[in-house]
Amino acid sequence: AQSVTQLDSQVPVFEEAPVELRCNYSSSVSVYLFWYVQYPNQGLQLLLKYLSGSTLVKGINGFEAEFNKSQTSFHLRKPSVHISDTAEYFCAVSDHSSGAGSYQLTFGKGTKLSVIP
Amino acid sequence: GAVVSQHPSWVICKSGTSVKIECRSLDFQATTMFWYRQFPKQSLMLMATSNEGSKATYEQGVEKDKFLINHASLTLSTLTVTSAHPEDSSFYICSAPSASTQYFGPGTRLTVL
Repeated sequence: AQSVTQLDSQVPVFEEAPVELRCNYSSSVSVYLFWYVQYPNQGLQLLLKYLSGSTLVKGINGFEAEFNKSQTSFHLRKPSVHISDTAEYFCAVSDHSSGAGSYQLTFGKGTKLSVIP
Repeated sequence: GAVVSQHPSWVICKSGTSVKIECRSLDFQATTMFWYRQFPKQSLMLMATSNEGSKATYEQGVEKDKFLINHASLTLSTLTVTSAHPEDSSFYICSAPSASTQYFGPGTRLTVL
């Protein structure tokens, strides 16, 4: 079984300031890691993902995340946020030992990022 | 990236009626699709896994007879909310996997009066 903990339910930040959204996970097997963004009344959009290789992954809209296996973390960062980044952000993991074609996700509870003008 | 669509994007229905929601993978095939329910200000709750050509797998506590799932082809899964009641009002989202990644539909807002 896996679990995902997003340590902050809400993160207010001023426009053009840097931001870090924290995500920790627990799993007994190797996992794939994802960050999704959800704007109001919309589905989830993939921001970035870690499957293998370099532990620093870059995504859309200037976001990046670093996979830290020893700390079981996958924190999301952006050096300078914009008003348009205001949204809900979800960290998720999948067990890639489940076999091809499945990749069921376990989600964190989400972090509401509010960018203040 | 892969694209998943949902139809309708919103629906309002009377209590006791049934509502069908479609989930389509537009540019890839998916033998498995997932249906989620999301309550306001909460994370996604997995309802069921839709399997092409076989029965869906439901999560604990989800009523199979109320939430009927059909995965008729490699690009289409449908969720039918039968005899809907106001407590079924929610945001329903589907997803489909492609290349080790889940891609989500835009969601369907269901309001039952």
